[in-house]
Amino acid sequence: SQQGEEDPQALSIQEGENATMNCSYKTSINNLQWYRQNSGRGLVHLILIRSNEREKHSGRLRVTLDTSKKSSSLLITASRAADTASYFCATDPKLGRLYFGRGTQLTVWP
Amino acid sequence: DTEVTQTPKHLVMGMTNKKSLKCEQHMGHRAMYWYKQKAKKPPELMFVYSYEKLSINESVPSRFSPECPNSSLLNLHLHALQPEDSALYLCASSQPLTGDYEQFFGPGTRLTVL
Repeated sequence: SQQGEEDPQALSIQEGENATMNCSYKTSINNLQWYRQNSGRGLVHLILIRSNEREKHSGRLRVTLDTSKKSSSLLITASRAADTASYFCATDPKLGRLYFGRGTQLTVWP
Repeated sequence: DTEVTQTPKHLVMGMTNKKSLKCEQHMGHRAMYWYKQKAKKPPELMFVYSYEKLSINESVPSRFSPECPNSSLLNLHLHALQPEDSALYLCASSQPLTGDYEQFFGPGTRLTVL
């Protein structure tokens, strides 16, 4: 399978803390993307990092990519209750489709 | 307009019914996708249309029949479904010309098969 695997499967933190989620994958990729899904809703694209990039920032989000280890991490700083959602990494091996990981369920308590 | 719309939001159907799910985007994207998602699982790809042609069918049972009437519309025709087909059905679109396949998702149709 080319699917990414997120770690941890569930993460529970207090507001203001940082949340870190990891993703590992198996094959070479064109890019790696992170998506958020609120319960029962559609997925929202958060950030894309290309295979030749090592780090990318967008607001409170920081993504790193280590292609030698085939892994990525998503850091959400100063988390808020509104960040409570499922987070999925998705890899693009340039086959016209994405491969989604199993996701991390993040709960942020007020 | 950066939105993907899906109708209906909820659908309850019997195993002998025929129904259709609809998806629309006006971002000029030329790739459109159908996903099926069960609770607490990642989206599972069902079909991909690229430039209005079916490019990927992930061995989906024939009781699901996709259709892409034009570059903005994507339908999923449902017939003789099983209770295990109950799920959230998500539509997405992307612009293949960028080479990145960043996908924009609709809110989904919650399907219940009785």
